Amino acid sequence: EVQLVESGGGLVQPGGSLRLSCAASGFTFRNYWMDWVRQAPGKGLEWVANIKEDGSEKYYVDSVKGRFTISRDNAENTVYLHMRSLRAEDTAVYYCARSLDGWGRGVLVTVSS
Amino acid sequence: DIQMTQSPSSLSASVGDRVTITCRASQGIGIHLGWYQQKPGKAPKGLIYVASSLQSGVPSRFSGSGSGTEFTLTISSLQPEDFATYYCLQHNSYPRTFGQGTRVEIK
Repeated sequence: EVQLVESGGGLVQPGGSLRLSCAASGFTFRNYWMDWVRQAPGKGLEWVANIKEDGSEKYYVDSVKGRFTISRDNAENTVYLHMRSLRAEDTAVYYCARSLDGWGRGVLVTVSS
Repeated sequence: DIQMTQSPSSLSASVGDRVTITCRASQGIGIHLGWYQQKPGKAPKGLIYVASSLQSGVPSRFSGSGSGTEFTLTISSLQPEDFATYYCLQHNSYPRTFGQGTRVEIK
């Protein structure tokens, strides 16, 4: 069974940084692309970024390019989302997903002073 | 970016009704489309991939069809547990984009 557990969320001031982690189990992590998707309060889903199995390709939505970095550690079965220069509009629940077919429960990031 | 437009934005239906949700892409995406169900406070759950293939464990009352720019999700006989918000997602090109969602409510 696919299990994805996000951590690292919380309250951060505008301009601050945060690193989200997603620990994976129940499947061969190194064989899958991994995605991050977010959902602002009361809003729809927004795809944020993804990373290829070996980390050699990464893609981002324009609104986070240059501020967010996705990375992975296949030895630790973990994918990360490094977020900096955070803005109020980055406030959302962030979901980790295995190739968009298996999802974690999400972690809340609140950007506020 | 490819825009995904769902219709309707919301609908009211009764248990046992047949429900159809449409998703239109601003340009052709082949069959690179998925459908997701989300209940309040929960993570999305995959229902359909590559436009018409059912995810493992998803009831057969759910079906998907379409290709190119027009896609549909059909629930053949709505059940109480199906009241939720449904999203389409294109994964033909970057950035991946979701539809705005269709809320299915109890009539």
